[in-house]
Amino acid sequence: EAQVTQNPRYLITVTGKKLTVTCSQNMNHEYMSWYRQDPGLGLRQIYYSMNVEVTDKGDVPEGYKVSRKEKRNFPLILESPSPNQTSLYFCASRRRQEYTDTQYFGPGTRLTVL
Amino acid sequence: AQSVTQLDSQVPVFEEAPVELRCNYSSSVSVYLFWYVQYPNQGLQLLLKYLSGSTLVKGINGFEAEFNKSQTSFHLRKPSVHISDTAEYFCAVSWDGATNKLIFGTGTLLAVQP
Repeated sequence: EAQVTQNPRYLITVTGKKLTVTCSQNMNHEYMSWYRQDPGLGLRQIYYSMNVEVTDKGDVPEGYKVSRKEKRNFPLILESPSPNQTSLYFCASRRRQEYTDTQYFGPGTRLTVL
Repeated sequence: AQSVTQLDSQVPVFEEAPVELRCNYSSSVSVYLFWYVQYPNQGLQLLLKYLSGSTLVKGINGFEAEFNKSQTSFHLRKPSVHISDTAEYFCAVSWDGATNKLIFGTGTLLAVQP
């Protein structure tokens, strides 16, 4: 089954404690992206990756890092989380060449930073 | 710059009634338009998209949308809703040269009541 998986689905942590949210897709997609969803703001892009070892900032990259060492994985790293990073996070993927193509989304990770 | 506006944050409707969810966009270039649906505790999935051609687009689950260039709108409609349609609906826009950008609206919660 074609899918994007994220782990963990729920996470409660404290300010300053480094964390990583994993994202993996099994569709051999070149393009992957991270979004955060906040009430009244919709989804905003954090980072994206066009292929292995190629990443770039989205609209709200501050406080986040990513890496793309393998095609299937695109982890999101919060090195020093703060309460304003409490949000619902989604990973997505699609074929790189088809930017009008459907993006496939993971189930989301709800993060609470105390 | 491109933007998407969903003026209705919540639309209550009775089961079997028709519904229209409004989406307006702003852009100085030709755009591609999408509607995504997010069921409770799930990721987003594509309902339908307009790339070119016929301005009336049919999607999954009986939804359709009409692209209106003069009014810069892409409203989503369903003639008869079910309880299972209760979800949050996001309008999104992309464009040539955007490569990785998909701009989302703030979402509309469709609340179907028995």
